[in-house]
Amino acid sequence: KAGVTQTPRYLIKTRGQQVTLSCSPISGHRSVSWYQQTPGQGLQFLFEYFSETQRNKGNFPGRFSGRQFSNSRSEMNVSTLELGDSALYLCASRGLAGADTQYFGPGTRLTVL
Amino acid sequence: AQSVTQPDIHITVSEGASLELRCNYSYGATPYLFWYVQSPGQGLQLLLKYFSGDTLVQGIKGFEAEFKRSQSSFNLRKPSVHWSDAAEYFCAVGANGNQFYFGTGTSLTVIP
Repeated sequence: KAGVTQTPRYLIKTRGQQVTLSCSPISGHRSVSWYQQTPGQGLQFLFEYFSETQRNKGNFPGRFSGRQFSNSRSEMNVSTLELGDSALYLCASRGLAGADTQYFGPGTRLTVL
Repeated sequence: AQSVTQPDIHITVSEGASLELRCNYSYGATPYLFWYVQSPGQGLQLLLKYFSGDTLVQGIKGFEAEFKRSQSSFNLRKPSVHWSDAAEYFCAVGANGNQFYFGTGTSLTVIP
């Protein structure tokens, strides 16, 4: 099976712009979670989507949003970018609700200038 | 509240030496436990996981981990470290079936 893929791998934006990141889960996986990783804060959970519905949400401002499509692909959007949004954004997919393992993609490195 | 603690921010070992990375968790029920490894600029790769059963679990790349309920620990071990093991290691807990909590990571440096 192909792994989790994320596009683009690298992105440079300026403050005030918006950005959309994409994640394609492992075939058959219906859950997609997003994480923000920074050197100072570590891995922080953004949100999880399951069958096109947001199931869990972390403690991030409303500028961070996401959605999931019927084919389980997910997008994450950040509006009005701030310098502090520079981070590695990781997507993880897993199969069933309940006990299961998250598999991570390679991440999208976002730099905000 | 659930939490994961990795007490060692950074560890340096010599190639060929043994390794133990510590992980302690706080969770009321039996957790699902994971160890991931991350190379610079990459995503997280699953090393091993514990759901139930034998408390000593084997993973990829020669790693193993032992679940000790009495100590709320899930330490990662490797008998002989290779230079390619240099990376960041994350311990994680799966709780309530749908939420995952990660430790802050341990950075491993391997000296030739």
